Amino acid sequence: GENVEQHPSTLSVQEGDSAVIKCTYSDSASNYFPWYKQELGKGPQLIIDIRSNVGEKKDQRIAVTLNKTAKHFSLHITETQPEDSAVYFCAPEEAAGNKLTFGGGTRVLVKP
Amino acid sequence: NAGVTQTPKFRILKIGQSMTLQCTQDMNHNYMYWYRQDPGMGLKLIYYSVGAGITDKGEVPNGYNVSRSTTEDFPLRLELAAPSQTSVYFCASKQQGRLSGYTFGSGTRLTVV
Repeated sequence: GENVEQHPSTLSVQEGDSAVIKCTYSDSASNYFPWYKQELGKGPQLIIDIRSNVGEKKDQRIAVTLNKTAKHFSLHITETQPEDSAVYFCAPEEAAGNKLTFGGGTRVLVKP
Repeated sequence: NAGVTQTPKFRILKIGQSMTLQCTQDMNHNYMYWYRQDPGMGLKLIYYSVGAGITDKGEVPNGYNVSRSTTEDFPLRLELAAPSQTSVYFCASKQQGRLSGYTFGSGTRLTVV
C-alpha cells in the first residue's frame, strides 16, 4: 500500500505569517492529491486538491504545489488567521482509485 | 442535503458488549468508508465499499464487520468490544471513480471500559 509521511507534525506561526506543510508519498502512480482540515470535534473537510496534470493550484489564501517526480506535494497557507488553527491531513489517492491513505497530520496553531 | 450522517455521536460500551455504528449518506455516492482516529493520530481505514453488496478490508479490520445492503447505508458492527477499540470513528463517502474527494460525517466517539 501507499506510504505517506507528513512534516512537520506541529507548526506554530504568528498571525499574518505563512505556513507550509509537506507530504511525501510512495505510489508513483497516484494522480490525485487532496488536503483536509480537521477542526476540534469535527470530521475532516476537503479544503483543496490537485490532480497530477498540474503543478500548482490556488484558492484564495491556500495553495497546493505538486512535484510528481520527487513524489511530494505541499500545502501553503498565506496571511494566516486564528481560524486556520486546526489539524491538516494530506491523503494521496491510491492508483486503483478506490481509497485515500492519510498522513499522520500536522497541528497548526496560529498565535494572535 | 444532509451529507453523511453518523449515529450515535457518543457511546460508552463495556468490554465484551456489541454495538452497531450507523452511517447513511444522501448524495447517491457509491463509495463509502469507515476510518478510526485514535487521539492525536491520523485516520486508519477499517473497511470500505464500492457499491451495494461489495465490501473490502482496509488497514485495521480485525474486530469489526460491515455490510452494504443499500447505496445509502454502511453500518459498522463491533463484536466483543475491547479497550483497544476506544477511538473516534468516521464514516465517509465519495463519488465513483478516481480524482474526487471524500465527504466525512461528524464522527462517533466510542469508549470501551
